[in-house]
Amino acid sequence: EVQLVESGGGLVKPGGSLRLSCEASGFTFSNYGMNWVRQAPGKGLEWVSGLSGSSSYIYYADAVKGRFTISRDNAKKSLYLQMNSLRAEDTAVYYCARKGPYYYDNSGNYRLFDAFEMWGQGTTVTVSS
Amino acid sequence: DIQMTQSPSSVSASVGDRVTITCRASQDISRWLAWYQQKPGKAPKLLMYDASTLQSGVPSRFSGSGSGTDFTLTITRLQPEDFATYYCQQANSIPFTFGPGTKVDIK
Repeated sequence: EVQLVESGGGLVKPGGSLRLSCEASGFTFSNYGMNWVRQAPGKGLEWVSGLSGSSSYIYYADAVKGRFTISRDNAKKSLYLQMNSLRAEDTAVYYCARKGPYYYDNSGNYRLFDAFEMWGQGTTVTVSS
Repeated sequence: DIQMTQSPSSVSASVGDRVTITCRASQDISRWLAWYQQKPGKAPKLLMYDASTLQSGVPSRFSGSGSGTDFTLTITRLQPEDFATYYCQQANSIPFTFGPGTKVDIK
């Protein structure tokens, strides 16, 4: 079965750290860029970070730059998010998401669309004293 | 950063109705737009990409249009399972940004 399963969420005090994990199954993990997207309670979706299949390209939202670190282990088919210096505003459900889909454009070129075609069920992070 | 807006923020509709949601980007994003559906307590689901290409398995009552800065998502013949929140997302440049969402609820 093709799926993403997140873990590692929990309650942490402001200034604390947490490491999220996302385990992939059912597809060739190393072929896909992966991302973290979060959703604060009752709010919309916010892209947090992403990296390419080989980890050559890594990107962060300004809100987390310098505090969060994204990484992956293709042998373990796993994605990680190390979150340090956590703040109350980091409270959210964190989803890992596979970038895609690949498609043929009108010129017949095989391209990657930078959407999020597959999502995990999410893991909840609460930052509170 | 590219800002995304959506209208309306919510819409009440009945089964069988036609619903149109608008998404606007703060700058030209060509057709680099995706739409998602999210139900309460669930992860978002990709509906459409490249502004108008249906993701595999998505019913044909969903359609998208637009390019540049203005886009629409249309649901014809609304079904009970379509009551959800819909988000647009620009895929033109990092940081990827989402619209604030449009909630479609039952009239």
